[in-house]
Amino acid sequence: GAGVSQSPSNKVTEKGKDVELRCDPISGHTALYWYRQSLGQGLEFLIYFQGNSAPDKSGLPSDRFSAERTGGSVSTLTIQRTQQEDSAVYLCASSFAGGVEQYFGPGTRLTVT
Amino acid sequence: RKEVEQDPGPFNVPEGATVAFNCTYSNSASQSFFWYRQDCRKEPKLLMSVYSSGNEDGRFTAQLNRASQYISLLIRDSKLSDSATYLCVVNLNTNAGKSTFGDGTTLTVKP
Repeated sequence: GAGVSQSPSNKVTEKGKDVELRCDPISGHTALYWYRQSLGQGLEFLIYFQGNSAPDKSGLPSDRFSAERTGGSVSTLTIQRTQQEDSAVYLCASSFAGGVEQYFGPGTRLTVT
Repeated sequence: RKEVEQDPGPFNVPEGATVAFNCTYSNSASQSFFWYRQDCRKEPKLLMSVYSSGNEDGRFTAQLNRASQYISLLIRDSKLSDSATYLCVVNLNTNAGKSTFGDGTTLTVKP
């Protein structure tokens, strides 16, 4: 079946602009996660959704970052007034409720110039 | 101290070698544990779960030591295709929730 998909695959934006990143989880997966990975670094947890609720937003680095999920499916991660340090690969993952094996999308590579 | 720590390596081994990675975690209440594999510029993919009794999948063996708060991954008869970064993952809850990833251990298997 279809895996996790993310769009766009690459995004280049100017400093100060807003960007929206999209994630389509695997059908039937109620849990959805956003991570950030800078070049050569590990995964940094950003936010987790169970259904449309986000019980854990502890990883969002600043108030410029926000995320929402609608219909228990698609999620968008929005970064306002982007900064150069926001440049990274943004990874989305989904899993069944009750199971924690996560399935990752291919990521969105964000470059802020 | 990081919640999940791994030796970053790199580990450079010849084909056919046996190699082992360790991962330590700080929260003794952690409930579930996994190893993921990440190839260069690709997304992480689940390699195997780690069970208290230890588990094996072909050439790969994972073990958990709750008393010492570490998990291990053993790879026997290394193949060139095993070259990747191996990520240790720890969860506080078994029912979804935040996962904490280690920074990964890089393995290069050489001919």
